[in-house]
Amino acid sequence: DIVLTQTPLSSPVTLGQPASISCRSSQSLVHSDGNTYLSWLQQRPGQPPRLLIYKISNRFSGVPDRFSGSGAGTDFTLKISRVEADDVGIYYCVQASQSPLTFGGGTKVEIE
Amino acid sequence: QVQLVQSGAEVRKPGASVKVSCKASGYNFTSYYLHWVRQAPGQGLECVAEVNPRGDKVYNAQRFQGRVTVTRDTSTNTVFLELSSLRSDDTAVYYCVRGTSNWKGIDFWGQGTLVTVSS
Repeated sequence: DIVLTQTPLSSPVTLGQPASISCRSSQSLVHSDGNTYLSWLQQRPGQPPRLLIYKISNRFSGVPDRFSGSGAGTDFTLKISRVEADDVGIYYCVQASQSPLTFGGGTKVEIE
Repeated sequence: QVQLVQSGAEVRKPGASVKVSCKASGYNFTSYYLHWVRQAPGQGLECVAEVNPRGDKVYNAQRFQGRVTVTRDTSTNTVFLELSSLRSDDTAVYYCVRGTSNWKGIDFWGQGTLVTVSS
């Protein structure tokens, strides 16, 4: 199975400042169809995860544009341009390029 | 709108079985993959099983080999996850998650069902 490693484990951020989370894959996530199926999820405290970004950099419906994704191959990044109080939670990368789905270990975003 | 509504929390003793349901609405139930993902207390996310649009289980995590059964009732748009021979480390929140149609991945999540295994 593909292993996804996220860094940092925890990211204390000042309100209004940017945050960045890295996700590294144990192998290339480029699918045989040429696409890269790497997504990012947000899990607020006490809630199920929700989809933020899919196929590296596409924002899902209703996701604010302060969230952006980038990367290629095995290295990916989620950026929050200006952290708001509502962004507190745990962020996960997830890959679907190879079955089974696998998830990163999560990065906790908290306000300093 | 797409909704996945799961059954309520369950408590079981070790060695027992549990069946969790996930009722889908707002989309064509038989056209999408459905994944079961679990999250142990304070832990990350783990794929348990995956069923294709025909209802066939196409993936079953090796650690659950022989203990996971996924069934569905197309008349009620409901998918069921049954986990047998429960152990204490099966204690987790179990989520049903819809597979996407336009790209490979997952989009909508159920609210989760807490399964507690305790003697």
